Amino acid sequence: GNSVTQMEGPVTLSEEAFLTINCTYTATGYPSLFWYVQYPGEGLQLLLKATKADDKGSNKGFEATYRKETTSFHLEKGSVQVSDSAVYFCALSSDTGTASKLTFGTGTRLQVTL
Amino acid sequence: GAVVSQHPSWVICKSGTSVKIECRSLDFQATTMFWYRQFPKQSLMLMATSNEGSKATYEQGVEKDKFLINHASLTLSTLTVTSAHPEDSSFYICSARDPGGTAGNEQFFGPGTRLTVL
Repeated sequence: GNSVTQMEGPVTLSEEAFLTINCTYTATGYPSLFWYVQYPGEGLQLLLKATKADDKGSNKGFEATYRKETTSFHLEKGSVQVSDSAVYFCALSSDTGTASKLTFGTGTRLQVTL
Repeated sequence: GAVVSQHPSWVICKSGTSVKIECRSLDFQATTMFWYRQFPKQSLMLMATSNEGSKATYEQGVEKDKFLINHASLTLSTLTVTSAHPEDSSFYICSARDPGGTAGNEQFFGPGTRLTVL
């Protein structure tokens, strides 16, 4: 079956530091890959996505590249801010029909300090 | 963007009672809603897929008689935890799809409901 593995947190960084959160996946076929972010007290929000190999998703300074050869979708940001503190979830969807079910990783908490 | 709400945001109940959680799409019609369960430090586990006007499709291992799902309108789905026990304590999250919007198959998530069963 499908599965997503992401690095355990928490990750604590100083403001303006470089961020990498690793994510690898197991799936049949050609899944779509996602990063969701959950700010305190809020629901998950889609941060970025990629639907095929070598695609790069980007949003709000975050980016991730769909690497089929390494089955990875690592999240990166060049300079984090305190406002980036949140929990980040990697996910995949391999359904081509209307169900579009998502498989999530365990989430990685990011704490950015001044 | 599309907004999904959940009510209540947290609930405490006694063992043996039933609890209903509502999930509403506030500014769009959701033909499909999903219910997830999240344990501490674990990923979101899909419990069931709810389609408006039809029976929910439950994931393997999820008791459909314990977790009753109703999706009677295009903006509301409910999850009822029947005869709740302490092991049902968890964080329940819903999401909704807006197939008619520009987001296509994207799921929009509610803020979650924390259930504690004493």
